[in-house]
Amino acid sequence: EVQLVESGGGLVQPGGSLRLSCAASGFTVSSNYMSWVRQAPGKGLEWVSVIYSGGSTYYADSVKGRFTISRDNSKNTLYLQMNSLRAEDTAVYYCASLAAPSNWFDPWGQGTLVTVSS
Amino acid sequence: SYVLTQPPSVSVAPGKTARITCGGNNIGSKSVHWYQQKPGQAPVLVIYDDSDRPSGIPERFSGSNSGNTATLTISRVEAGDEADYYCQVWDSSSDHPGVFGTGTKVTVL
Repeated sequence: EVQLVESGGGLVQPGGSLRLSCAASGFTVSSNYMSWVRQAPGKGLEWVSVIYSGGSTYYADSVKGRFTISRDNSKNTLYLQMNSLRAEDTAVYYCASLAAPSNWFDPWGQGTLVTVSS
Repeated sequence: SYVLTQPPSVSVAPGKTARITCGGNNIGSKSVHWYQQKPGQAPVLVIYDDSDRPSGIPERFSGSNSGNTATLTISRVEAGDEADYYCQVWDSSSDHPGVFGTGTKVTVL
């Protein structure tokens, strides 16, 4: 069964850091385009970042320079390193695989909540 | 960056048809995907490539895309269809390729 399981969310102070993990099973992370999507409380979905199978990475303007997407092929796991966190980064963070060729998100993880507050 | 606009809400009586629009510049030239999200749950893909249904999605869900508007149609609406719906495209030529619509809350009266 294809599955994604996120972990690493929690409460962090403004300016702090957090690393989210997304463990995959049933498929190979490195062979797929993988993304992070977030959803602030009561708001819509916001694309955050993507890592292509070739290793190229892209970010939303709202997180560029502060967040880093990466993967560990040996662990079949996707990561999101989040630095210089702000209150507006408070959200549920989902990891998702992108399906070729037109890149829809499927499957999704269950999400992990990140709260940035003092 | 590419922008997708949806109506904030759509209300529909049980058994009737709900239509949710997704507007974007020349969106008809792109592949549009649709997601259903219920409270406290991750989004679920209901339509991909404008009009294809993943396995397990009822035939009541259909999609179309032309010109500047893509549409998700839910026929014979049921109470269980009450949810938020989002359209999505992937703009491969952009440095910000992932684009979601603003979302539509479907209320079953």
